[in-house]
Amino acid sequence: SQQGEEDPQALSIQEGENATMNCSYKTSINNLQWYRQNSGRGLVHLILIRSNEREKHSGRLRVTLDTSKKSSSLLITASRAADTASYFCATDNTGTASKLTFGTGTRLQVTL
Amino acid sequence: GAVVSQHPSRVICKSGTSVKIECRSLDFQATTMFWYRQFPKQSLMLMATSNEGSKATYEQGVEKDKFLINHASLTLSTLTVTSAHPEDSSFYICSARQPSGGADEQFFGPGTRLTVL
Repeated sequence: SQQGEEDPQALSIQEGENATMNCSYKTSINNLQWYRQNSGRGLVHLILIRSNEREKHSGRLRVTLDTSKKSSSLLITASRAADTASYFCATDNTGTASKLTFGTGTRLQVTL
Repeated sequence: GAVVSQHPSRVICKSGTSVKIECRSLDFQATTMFWYRQFPKQSLMLMATSNEGSKATYEQGVEKDKFLINHASLTLSTLTVTSAHPEDSSFYICSARQPSGGADEQFFGPGTRLTVL
């Protein structure tokens, strides 16, 4: 399977703390994207990082990409209860016509 | 951002019936749409790539005769689950690709929960 791995599978933190999720993938990529999914809902696109980029920021989100290690991380700073959701990385793999391959996901729980 | 809708959001059907799910890009034209399936607490698995005006491309292990895909216009793709069985119960999500110069983004619909009794 080409599916990527995410860790941790589940993460529980208190509001105000930072949350870090990691994603590893298997093939060369055009870009890597992070998505958020609330329970039973569709996906919300968070951020896209291209293969020639190493770091990207968007609000409280910081994404890093290390293509030599085939890994990425998503950092959510100053987390809020509303950040509770599942987070997925997805890779746009080279030569696959923009098909996305999703990681296994991290379920984040932010408590008050 | 771009908006993708799905209809219905939830459907319950009897085993052996067929169910059609619609995916629409509301404010852009999508030459390519994707259909995914997601089982509870699992990740999304790509089922097929839907190309406007041509046959869909199915992923390995996905039965094309069971999951019929039609992409008749630049804003609409449909997935029909034929002769549905309980094991087809799942969350089906579509996405539409909006080319934007460099890297592309995919915009996801809200999903359709199918329950087959």
